[in-house]
Amino acid sequence: EVQLVESGGDFVQPGGSLRLSCAASGFTFSNDWMDWVRQAPGKGLEWVANMKYDGSEKYYLDSVKGRFTISRDNAKNSLFLQMNSLRAEDTAVYYCSRYLGDWGQGTLVTVSS
Amino acid sequence: DIQLTQSPSSLSASVGDRVTITCRASQDIRNDLGWYQQQPGKAPKRLIYDGSTLQSGVPSRFSGSGSGTELTLTISSLQPEDFATYFCLQYNRYPRTFGQGTKVEIK
Repeated sequence: EVQLVESGGDFVQPGGSLRLSCAASGFTFSNDWMDWVRQAPGKGLEWVANMKYDGSEKYYLDSVKGRFTISRDNAKNSLFLQMNSLRAEDTAVYYCSRYLGDWGQGTLVTVSS
Repeated sequence: DIQLTQSPSSLSASVGDRVTITCRASQDIRNDLGWYQQQPGKAPKRLIYDGSTLQSGVPSRFSGSGSGTELTLTISSLQPEDFATYFCLQYNRYPRTFGQGTKVEIK
């Protein structure tokens, strides 16, 4: 059974940083593209970034380029999202996803002063 | 960016009704589209991918059709557990984009 467990969400002030993690199990992590998707409170879904299985390709939403960095550790079956220069509009539940098919339960990031 | 416009934004229906939700794309996305169901407070669940392929384990009352700029999700006979919000997602181009959602409520 595929399992994706996000962690690292927290309350942070504008301009701050957070690193989200996603622990994967139940599939061959090193074979799959992985995505981060977010959902602001009461709003729709917004794709944030993804990364090829070998790390050779990464894509980002324009509004997070230069501030967020997606990475992975295939030896540890883990996906990461380093978020810097956080803004109030980054407040959301962040989901990691395998091929946009399997999803974790999400982790809440709140950016507020 | 490819814009996805879902219609309707919300609908009221009864158990047993046939429900159709449309996703219109601002440019041709072939059939590079998925449909998702989201219950309140839960992660999205994929129902359909590649426009019409049913995700394993999803009931056959769900179906997807169409290609190009107009794709459709149909629920043939609405069940109580189907009252939820539905989203479409295109993966033809970056950035991936979602429709704004369709809330299906009980009439």
